[in-house]
Amino acid sequence: DADVTQTPRNRITKTGKRIMLECSQTKGHDRMYWYRQDPGLGLRLIYYSFDVKDINKGEISDGYSVSRQAQAKFSLSLESAIPNQTALYFCATSGVSAVPWPQYFGPGTRLLVL
Amino acid sequence: GENVEQHPSTLSVQEGDSAVIKCTYSDSASNYFPWYKQELGKGPQLIIDIRSNVGEKKDQRIAVTLNKTAKHFSLHITETQPEDSAVYFCAPQRANAGGTSYGKLTFGQGTILTVHP
Repeated sequence: DADVTQTPRNRITKTGKRIMLECSQTKGHDRMYWYRQDPGLGLRLIYYSFDVKDINKGEISDGYSVSRQAQAKFSLSLESAIPNQTALYFCATSGVSAVPWPQYFGPGTRLLVL
Repeated sequence: GENVEQHPSTLSVQEGDSAVIKCTYSDSASNYFPWYKQELGKGPQLIIDIRSNVGEKKDQRIAVTLNKTAKHFSLHITETQPEDSAVYFCAPQRANAGGTSYGKLTFGQGTILTVHP
């Protein structure tokens, strides 16, 4: 089984709808991240969490919210989806004690907002 | 924040040739320098990394070199194979000895590598 899983893998929604993307990990890592990937723009950080009680905004948090339900679960919500949120979304994890400090990515969720 | 630039944005080589991708960063306190490979339909995966106390690291056909004075590091792939075709990202980071990041993470824009058989 994959260490970092994301659901759903693909989602089509309409403008104004609320949607949630979910991420689960079995790596036992403390830190979890949500990224957005657009063609030609690489990966941009939306939110990150260093533990269950610690949530931080990333580079592009406007229009998004997150919830860290447990060490292993980190959800991303779009309260009112808009077309320019159409993108590929990745969840990632990393461990505190790992030196150096790589990140492990899920397979991604492809979101289309009509 | 950290400004990160990758060059080239696209790279096309013949199988067996070498490929080099360069990453330039702005934060002189960066001390961890990874390269990620993203295959079609998958998430990025770490392929090699280097810390600031090392100038070069090799792993079979892949190597990373670091020039901290000039603030750039490069990915070198030798004897390229079609399965090396992917998008490659650099992501220089500033972390303390325990792995704590001091701020947001910034990825380069990516380099699309195509290896022709």
